[in-house]
Amino acid sequence: SQQGEEDPQALSIQEGENATMNCSYKTSINNLQWYRQNSGRGLVHLILIRSNEREKHSGRLRVTLDTSKKSSSLLITASRAADTASYFCATVLQANNLFFGTGTRLTVIP
Amino acid sequence: EPEVTQTPSHQVTQMGQEVILRCVPISNHLYFYWYRQILGQKVEFLVSFYNNEISEKSEIFDDQFSVERPDGSNFTLKIRSTKLEDSAMYFCASSTGRAGELFFGEGSRLTVL
Repeated sequence: SQQGEEDPQALSIQEGENATMNCSYKTSINNLQWYRQNSGRGLVHLILIRSNEREKHSGRLRVTLDTSKKSSSLLITASRAADTASYFCATVLQANNLFFGTGTRLTVIP
Repeated sequence: EPEVTQTPSHQVTQMGQEVILRCVPISNHLYFYWYRQILGQKVEFLVSFYNNEISEKSEIFDDQFSVERPDGSNFTLKIRSTKLEDSAMYFCASSTGRAGELFFGEGSRLTVL
C-alpha cells in the first residue's frame, strides 16, 4: 500500500494535555502532510514537511519526520476541546499525488 | 478566502443510475483531484487531473468513472451506473502545484439505494 498508517487509531486526552500521533509509511516520499477533518466535513491542511526537513512548527503544532524510519509524528501542545477531530497524514510520492493514512481520531475532554 | 465548492451536498440515487458530482476549484489552481471516503474509513485517492487530462488514477477509478473539466471553472466526476458500494463521501480538491497543499471542498455525500 502507498498509504501511511497512523497510530494510535483513537486517542482521548484531557484539555491542556499534549497529543502525539504517529504516522508510518512504506516508500520514498517527496513530502509528508498532515490534515485535520472535523466529523462529516472536508479535510483541512495543517502542515507540510519536505523529505529533507526533520522538524517543523506551526503554532501549537510540531511535526517531525524521520525518513530513515519512514515515520512522522504530529504533536499538538496544550490541547483544546476544539482540537477534537480526526487527523490524517498524507504522503506525496514521486508521482506527486497524496495518499492518506487511516487517521487518528482525537477526542479532547474539556 | 477562496474555497473549493461542491454540489450537491447530498445525493440519493437508485442503483444503476448515473450520477454527476460537481466541483468548482479555486480559480488559479491548476491541479484537481477526486477522493472518496466511505463512512468512518480512510480517504481514498481516485484521480488527479492536470492540463485537461487525467494524470493518475487509482484501481477504484474504473470504466464506470469519468472526469471532465467542461469549462474554465467546473470539474465534474461522473459515475455511469452506480453500485451500492459507491455510497461514500466524495471530496474534490485542488492545488496550485504538484506535491503541494491540497484545498478540499466540504464533500458530496452519495447514497446508493
